[in-house]
Amino acid sequence: AQRVTQPEKLLSVFKGAPVELKCNYSYSGSPELFWYVQYSRQRLQLLLRHISRESIKGFTADLNKGETSFHLKKPFAQEEDSAMYYCALSGFFSGGYNKLIFGAGTRLAVHP
Amino acid sequence: NAGVTQTPKFRVLKTGQSMTLLCAQDMNHEYMYWYRQDPGMGLRLIHYSVGEGTTAKGEVPDGYNVSRLKKQNFLLGLESAAPSQTSVYFCASSNIRDRTPASQEYFGPGTRLTVT
Repeated sequence: AQRVTQPEKLLSVFKGAPVELKCNYSYSGSPELFWYVQYSRQRLQLLLRHISRESIKGFTADLNKGETSFHLKKPFAQEEDSAMYYCALSGFFSGGYNKLIFGAGTRLAVHP
Repeated sequence: NAGVTQTPKFRVLKTGQSMTLLCAQDMNHEYMYWYRQDPGMGLRLIHYSVGEGTTAKGEVPDGYNVSRLKKQNFLLGLESAAPSQTSVYFCASSNIRDRTPASQEYFGPGTRLTVT
């Protein structure tokens, strides 16, 4: 079954510490992976996607097909990074339509 | 360009009451989605639409109905609200066409619904 797993509900770090938010997926085809972020009282927005191989706000994520992972990393966390982070998988499911499957989310709390 | 908007922002219902949530997008997107967000569960897809006049069930469709009479609007209806439907509801749209790989979903601000 198609699934996205984010094993940590909460990740708490101090400012300046490295951050890694874990994401593992299960999908029979060739997936497209995303990270979405939701800051307090704001709408969900796209942070980055694996196909772009970009770095946004210092965050990077590499798709590892062998380990079926798409972990989000940042070398030095900032207080403004505190938010809810969702890993999502896009693929073609029953009916042939493209949909996003979200993980349960990880709340990142960066302390001063 | 307002993007994706949702009406209302908040609502409190009593068990058994009905209501409709409205989602509107001005980006001419084909695909529209309704999700619910619950603590520890992430976002779960309720229903979606791949175009005007078409709708399909998502992961958790029971207790909800939808309609897409106009391309820019996607309505989510609760015929008989239950406390288990207390949640934050998000609408989203995307420009996916012709089965090409997904690009991005654009989300609305959410509707916080409480059923007592």
